[in-house]
Amino acid sequence: GAGVSQTPSNKVTEKGKYVELRCDPISGHTALYWYRQSLGQGPEFLIYFQGTGAADDSGLPNDRFFAVRPEGSVSTLKIQRTERGDSAVYLCASRLAGGDTQYFGPGTRLTVL
Amino acid sequence: GENVGLHLPTLSVQEGDNSIINCAYSNSASDYFIWYKQESGKGPQFIIDIRSNMDKRQGQRVTVLLNKTVKHLSLQIAATQPGDSAVYFCAEKDNTDKLIFGTGTRLQVFP
Repeated sequence: GAGVSQTPSNKVTEKGKYVELRCDPISGHTALYWYRQSLGQGPEFLIYFQGTGAADDSGLPNDRFFAVRPEGSVSTLKIQRTERGDSAVYLCASRLAGGDTQYFGPGTRLTVL
Repeated sequence: GENVGLHLPTLSVQEGDNSIINCAYSNSASDYFIWYKQESGKGPQFIIDIRSNMDKRQGQRVTVLLNKTVKHLSLQIAATQPGDSAVYFCAEKDNTDKLIFGTGTRLQVFP
């Protein structure tokens, strides 16, 4: 079946601009996660949704970052006033209710010039 | 993502040999552990997982060993193939449901 999909695959923006990154989880997966991966590092947790609500947003670095999942399926990560330090690969993962395994999408590479 | 693995510890093995990748985890309260494989330009791909009530689990050509006493996890790959070349990450999870990833190890397989 289809895996987690993320769009766009690459995004180049200028410092100060607003960006939106989209994640389509595996159909039927109720849990959705956003992670950020910098070059040469492992992914770092940002936020976790159970259904429509954010169950844990403790990884969001500051209030420029926000994520939504209005219908409990697709999620959008929103970054305001982007900074060069936001450049990274943003990964989305989803998990089936009652399961443990998080399945990752291919990521969106964000470059802030 | 691309260029994953720069400055990471590297394990070089010959095709057909067995590989062992090690990982130390930090939280004694973690109850679930997982290994991912990440190729350049791609997202992490699930390999195998293990819960804390087990000390060994086997899959196809892969085995995960868990030593809770010293907080150590290892991934063994039998008969390593060129397609196994990638960066491998271990991750742990406690009751907060988020994964905490280790540093990663680059596996290079040469003929």
